[in-house]
Amino acid sequence: GDSVTQMEGPVTLSEEAFLTINCTYTATGYPSLFWYVQYPGEGLQLLLKATKADDKGSNKGFEATYRKETTSFHLEKGSVQVSDSAVYFCAEVRRNTDKLIFGTGTRLQVFP
Amino acid sequence: DAGITQSPRHKVTETGTPVTLRCHQTENHRYMYWYRQDPGHGLRLIHYSYGVKDTDKGEVSDGYSVSRSKTEDFLLTLESATSSQTSVYFCAISGTGERTDTQYFGPGTRLTVL
Repeated sequence: GDSVTQMEGPVTLSEEAFLTINCTYTATGYPSLFWYVQYPGEGLQLLLKATKADDKGSNKGFEATYRKETTSFHLEKGSVQVSDSAVYFCAEVRRNTDKLIFGTGTRLQVFP
Repeated sequence: DAGITQSPRHKVTETGTPVTLRCHQTENHRYMYWYRQDPGHGLRLIHYSYGVKDTDKGEVSDGYSVSRSKTEDFLLTLESATSSQTSVYFCAISGTGERTDTQYFGPGTRLTVL
């Protein structure tokens, strides 16, 4: 079945460092792709999404580009802040379904 | 933020007892979902609903049942709770069913089965 694979954490960075969290998907066709963020003790919030190849989703300084040739949707941010410390989930929705398939999550820890 | 509430937010119960978790939305969204979150597994779909009285199973539905008698409420029931059902449960909603539609999540319910 469909699956989403993301890099294991925790990812530990100093403030202002560059962030990359890798995500690859297996769904055929053109799934929609999402990044969700979960802050401690809270539910998941949509961070960004992309719905077709070469689309770039962006929000709060985070970006991810839908790469069909590599089936990837890597999350990047040029300069992380302590407040970005959270767990990040990559997810896909396959065409003609409404079921999100999640990766296992990547914990990001940013230190001052 | 989408208007989604979950109750209770925390519950401790004993093995073998029935438990019902409630998800309530004020957005009039058609689709509602129940997930569980466990370390190393991300979020996994338990059941979902695509309308009043219309529900279907997700990937981890064994031991769970759901009901949706009104658009705004989606109930998850553990008929006889087991320790393996200790988890954090999230409800989500989405709109009219376009393939690009986004799911919005509630704050979660932490359930501990002793």
